[in-house]
Amino acid sequence: GAVVSQHPSRVICKSGTSVKIECRSLDFQATTMFWYRQFPKQSLMLMATSNEGSKATYEQGVEKDKFLINHASLTLSTLTVTSAHPEDSSFYICSATTGTSTSTDTQYFGPGTRLTVL
Amino acid sequence: GEDVEQSLFLSVREGDSSVINCTYTDSSSTYLYWYKQEPGAGLQLLTYIFSNMDMKQDQRLTVLLNKKDKHLSLRIADTQTGDSAIYFCAESGSSASKIIFGSGTRLSIRP
Repeated sequence: GAVVSQHPSRVICKSGTSVKIECRSLDFQATTMFWYRQFPKQSLMLMATSNEGSKATYEQGVEKDKFLINHASLTLSTLTVTSAHPEDSSFYICSATTGTSTSTDTQYFGPGTRLTVL
Repeated sequence: GEDVEQSLFLSVREGDSSVINCTYTDSSSTYLYWYKQEPGAGLQLLTYIFSNMDMKQDQRLTVLLNKKDKHLSLRIADTQTGDSAIYFCAESGSSASKIIFGSGTRLSIRP
């Protein structure tokens, strides 16, 4: 159980285009989903936290108008990279949890999406 | 602010034990995690420990937590070539809190 999928696994796009990445919890309802970015040979950095039905909370330095996050259902969150540029090329990873601030559940990570912007 | 630190590289001989160390700064951390990432792949949760525990063992994996010193370690017994990966130490205040990751320790196995 507790499987999180991402689609696509790999995408190559031209500079200036927009790319949508989906994150799905396959066998549980995720109250909270997180989006992380990992540059080559670096650690994961949290970009934003999204709760179903409400606006995402972005980390400092992350442009909310560039990285649009939608968490329309308890099993799906999407990250859209708008007007992508080569510096947006990265590995994007989502995680999902059923937990709350007082629960003992853990986060489950998706396999990641490698974005390359030419 | 919150910070998690770990050494960047570790090389061990096949069959030996690997010990990866980590320190963190947030005294309110509730969850402490170890994740494994193989080349080009996502994160695999290896194990986690609650901050009120000192030790957790799961087959070849042993996690030790020294809460006073904010020090976490992962011991892999009988290290195999399949254990080659990057191991991330991480912490969070709760399951719905953001996870703060260390820089990752690249474990390489020599014959």
